[in-house]
Amino acid sequence: GENVEQHPSTLSVQEGDSAVIKCTYSDSASNYFPWYKQELGKRPQLIIDIRSNVGEKKDQRIAVTLNKTAKHFSLHITETQPEDSAVYFCAASTGGFKTIFGAGTRLFVKA
Amino acid sequence: DVKVTQSSRYLVKRTGEKVFLECVQDMDHENMFWYRQDPGLGLRLIYFSYDVKMKEKGDIPEGYSVSREKKERFSLILESASTNQTSMYLCASSPSDREDGYTFGSGTRLTVV
Repeated sequence: GENVEQHPSTLSVQEGDSAVIKCTYSDSASNYFPWYKQELGKRPQLIIDIRSNVGEKKDQRIAVTLNKTAKHFSLHITETQPEDSAVYFCAASTGGFKTIFGAGTRLFVKA
Repeated sequence: DVKVTQSSRYLVKRTGEKVFLECVQDMDHENMFWYRQDPGLGLRLIYFSYDVKMKEKGDIPEGYSVSREKKERFSLILESASTNQTSMYLCASSPSDREDGYTFGSGTRLTVV
């Protein structure tokens, strides 16, 4: 079946460094790619998304890139801060109700 | 400003019990979803609904059913709870007219003993 692979499963960075999380999707019909952040004990929250007609999107310290040909997309966090520590999920959607999530990346930012 | 509310944060039930997990949203969203979240497996879709009284199976519907009698409420039912249904259950909603991501509830951690 269709799936989304997410790497790495765990990422540890020093405060101020950059963090990159990568996802690969299998369904070429996917056209919407959201990223969610889930802090410990809290609900997943949408932090940024990108649609298939765009190659890159940036929001302050967070950016997402999309390579449709290779079917992969990435989340980039610059100047990481301790409050960035969380689990991050990527997802790929074909629209409608078919959204497939990656397994998640646990990011630790060391002060 | 909680928009998706799950009735319980923690539940402990016995094997064989019938379990109801409730979810209410106040955003007038058409679509509602139930996911379970397990370490290393991410979020897996159990059931979803795109309208009142409508329901569709997701990827792992076995052992579960759902009910959507009102637009704002989507209930997940475990007909006969089993230990392998111990998990975190997340409800989510989204509007039907655009792809804008989901709003999640805070989750219900269910333990079946």
